[in-house]
Amino acid sequence: QSVLTQPPSVSGAPGQRVTISCTGSISNIGAGFDVHWYQHLPGTAPKLLIFGNTNRPSGVPDRFSGSKSGTSASLAITGLQPEDEADYYCQSYDSSLSPVVFGGGTKLTVL
Amino acid sequence: QVQLQESGPGLVKPSQTLSLTCTVSRGSISSGDFSWSWIRQHPGKGLEWIGYIYYTGSTYYNPSLKSRVTISVDSSKNQFSLKLRSVTTADTAVYYCAKVGGLTFGEFHFDIWGQGIMVTVSS
Repeated sequence: QSVLTQPPSVSGAPGQRVTISCTGSISNIGAGFDVHWYQHLPGTAPKLLIFGNTNRPSGVPDRFSGSKSGTSASLAITGLQPEDEADYYCQSYDSSLSPVVFGGGTKLTVL
Repeated sequence: QVQLQESGPGLVKPSQTLSLTCTVSRGSISSGDFSWSWIRQHPGKGLEWIGYIYYTGSTYYNPSLKSRVTISVDSSKNQFSLKLRSVTTADTAVYYCAKVGGLTFGEFHFDIWGQGIMVTVSS
């Protein structure tokens, strides 16, 4: 059971918009700690997509965006492309459990 | 930019110590206020943080692994390493090394990752 809760899977057609939620608690996201998002294709290195809730590293398309409110955060992907099919993880800091906590991951399927 | 590469044995026997090294290239491990981390992924499961070593040399570990883990830096070789003692089959996983981004614990994230190395614990 992960400290941060993500839906196991989401799907969308090419060109559509999908969102992935990440629900935490008052000891992590709700305490104001940053949320970060990673994209992971099996067999490859995970890639940082969003850091500090809303910031994109250089090279990450603006189709990817992050938001945070209360004890939850979301990753939105617009203009869905086949190469977006991957696993997505959220990550934050938890003041009572572990300095680093991950969500359980969400598998995105592009139909 | 900095690149990371894990190395070490792909097979470890139960009760032994798993030892992995992460080599940092295209940058110095001791330049800047960088911290370094290890993360693993069990087969078919999500990511699990193992620990990190702060640029000051201080280490912080996942409470669930703390009693068995040591992370250290060898600046002369531009490497950092992971030792996980008394392994069991439950430690079978892909192990990733990563560079830590952000200035404070509350901001810490992993901005550069190695490709990962599969380690199997089996007799």
